[in-house]
Amino acid sequence: EAQVTQNPRYLITVTGKKLTVTCSQNMNHEYMSWYRQDPGLGLRQIYYSMNVEVTDKGDVPEGYKVSRKEKRNFPLILESPSPNQTSLYFCASSAGEQETQYFGPGTRLLVL
Amino acid sequence: AQKVTQAQTEISVVEKEDVTLDCVYETRDTTYYLFWYKQPPSGELVFLIRRNSFDEQNEISGRYSWNFQKSTSSFNFTITASQVVDSAVYFCALSAGLNQAGTALIFGKGTTLSVSS
Repeated sequence: EAQVTQNPRYLITVTGKKLTVTCSQNMNHEYMSWYRQDPGLGLRQIYYSMNVEVTDKGDVPEGYKVSRKEKRNFPLILESPSPNQTSLYFCASSAGEQETQYFGPGTRLLVL
Repeated sequence: AQKVTQAQTEISVVEKEDVTLDCVYETRDTTYYLFWYKQPPSGELVFLIRRNSFDEQNEISGRYSWNFQKSTSSFNFTITASQVVDSAVYFCALSAGLNQAGTALIFGKGTTLSVSS
């Protein structure tokens, strides 16, 4: 089954404790991206990757890092999480930038 | 600049009513793509439709239909004979800037549809 998976689905952590949210897709997609969803603000792109070893900032990259060492994986790293990073995070992948993006199930993060 | 506006924040209807969700977009690009996604209470984002800027034909899929009008920069979504299972947040999104690297999917803020029985 074609899908985008994210782990963990739910995470509660404390300020400053490094964490990684994994994202994996099995569709051989070149384009992957991370979004955060906040009430009243909709979805905003954090980082994207057009292919292996090619990543760039989206609209709200501060406080996040990403890497793309393999085509299928695109982890999101919060080196020192803060409460304003409490959000619902989505990973997405597509065959190309303008193609349909398929989203993972989401990761709910609470930073205390 | 690209922008998507969903002016209706919340809509409440009774089952079997028809409902239209409005979407107005802004872009200077001549080639772009428009999308609708559904986010049910369970939280996932479900792809509904993708439409390119050169195809203004309306589309119907079961109880769902989409009306794309370039003249008014609108891409409205109608649900006919709504059902309780249609209750969700619906997002309209725009992808433009075909020749620019890193074009994000620009989302509207969503319309929350509540269908009561």
